[in-house]
Amino acid sequence: NAGVTQTPKFRILKIGQSMTLQCTQDMNHNYMYWYRQDPGMGLKLIYYSVGAGITDKGEVPNGYNVSRSTTEDFPLRLELAAPSQTSVYFCASRGDWGTEAFFGQGTRLTVV
Amino acid sequence: KQEVTQIPAALSVPEGENLVLNCSFTDSAIYNLQWFRQDPGKGLTSLLLIQSSQREQTSGRLNASLDKSSGRSTLYIAASQPGDSATYLCAVEDSNYQLIWGAGTKLIIKP
Repeated sequence: NAGVTQTPKFRILKIGQSMTLQCTQDMNHNYMYWYRQDPGMGLKLIYYSVGAGITDKGEVPNGYNVSRSTTEDFPLRLELAAPSQTSVYFCASRGDWGTEAFFGQGTRLTVV
Repeated sequence: KQEVTQIPAALSVPEGENLVLNCSFTDSAIYNLQWFRQDPGKGLTSLLLIQSSQREQTSGRLNASLDKSSGRSTLYIAASQPGDSATYLCAVEDSNYQLIWGAGTKLIIKP
């Protein structure tokens, strides 16, 4: 029972580089989310999706892009990495609003 | 704008003690409140979910209460164990179906 799987677990990027954080879930959940967690802060919502083909901005979307071509996958793209994007990124999913959320193990990203 | 606060930011207690973690929110128009556990280097694990119409939920040694009118929730941990050491986060689901998060309470249980 995989749940929510994120890759990679760790990554170091140079300023200006790009990368994609992968997220896949096997629970047939409609709702998927990307959060970032900075030290001492609560999780901040970057983007979310309520179903395949539908995405929307969260609280801190600048510098990121997402797509949702299938129910299972919700990749997060960083186009021009900046030091301010150094953070831990979490992907989450749930079946519907009001239900339990399931999280991936996180990606620790450092931009130098 | 909904804001969620968790106090204290850190807590250290001896093994065996009962303890209470606090979560407060500014807007009582919530659909539910969830408590999560986060272990270092790992993702978040859902502990308890309280619907807005409920007053409390229990799971094993954990009991979470919700008082919407006062904007408060508590997570009660009975007979604490070293394995309970983790960061505990609460999140409220607002009227836009989004989860708004507190910064967490880092709990250390001393053997």
